[in-house]
Amino acid sequence: DIQMTQSPSSLSASVGDRVTITCRASQSISSFLNWFQQKPGKAPKLLIYAASSLQSGVSSRFSGSGSGTDFTLTISSLQPEDFAAYYCQQSYSTPITFGQGTRLEIK
Amino acid sequence: EVQLLESGGGLVQPGGSLRLSCAASGFTFSSYAMSWVRQAPGKGLEWVSAISGSGGSTYYADSVKGRFTISRDNSKSTLYVQMNSLRAEDTAVYYCAKGLASTGSSSRNLDYWGQGTLVTVSS
Repeated sequence: DIQMTQSPSSLSASVGDRVTITCRASQSISSFLNWFQQKPGKAPKLLIYAASSLQSGVSSRFSGSGSGTDFTLTISSLQPEDFAAYYCQQSYSTPITFGQGTRLEIK
Repeated sequence: EVQLLESGGGLVQPGGSLRLSCAASGFTFSSYAMSWVRQAPGKGLEWVSAISGSGGSTYYADSVKGRFTISRDNSKSTLYVQMNSLRAEDTAVYYCAKGLASTGSSSRNLDYWGQGTLVTVSS
């Protein structure tokens, strides 16, 4: 199975900050990497697919990059509604695997 | 508008069985793979199972293989998972999620999720 490791596990930031979350795969997954946002008590929401493609309806302050084993999710200017948990997920092969999550909190 | 509505969750004793359903609308159900993903209380996301658009291919996490069975009824636009021999560690919110394609890597890009249904395994 492909292991996905996110860092950091938690992060405190302020409104307006630029934030970067990283995700590392245990083997090369090309660009088969997705990012999700999850708010408490809600279902995950797809933000980025194929490493860098913005899902329809998602704010352009979210961007993704990377290929192979190393990937990043960047939020260019944090807004109050962005404080949530973020997960990466590889779609290269089954079983589908997720990172352990990054909790983004208000400083 | 794509909608996914899970049902069938509840409290079940260890060793018991439960069948979850996911009613889909707003898209051509048979054209897309579907997955079940679960989340234990306070924990991260764990993929459970997936099925191709036709239903001809199914996939399982090792943690549920041999105990869970995924299926779909394309005439009813409904996804199912039959869960047998339930264990305490199966306690979680179970989400159904739609893939971006019927098969292949895009089928593992999950673009729409239901609101989830809670399964509690306890005596």
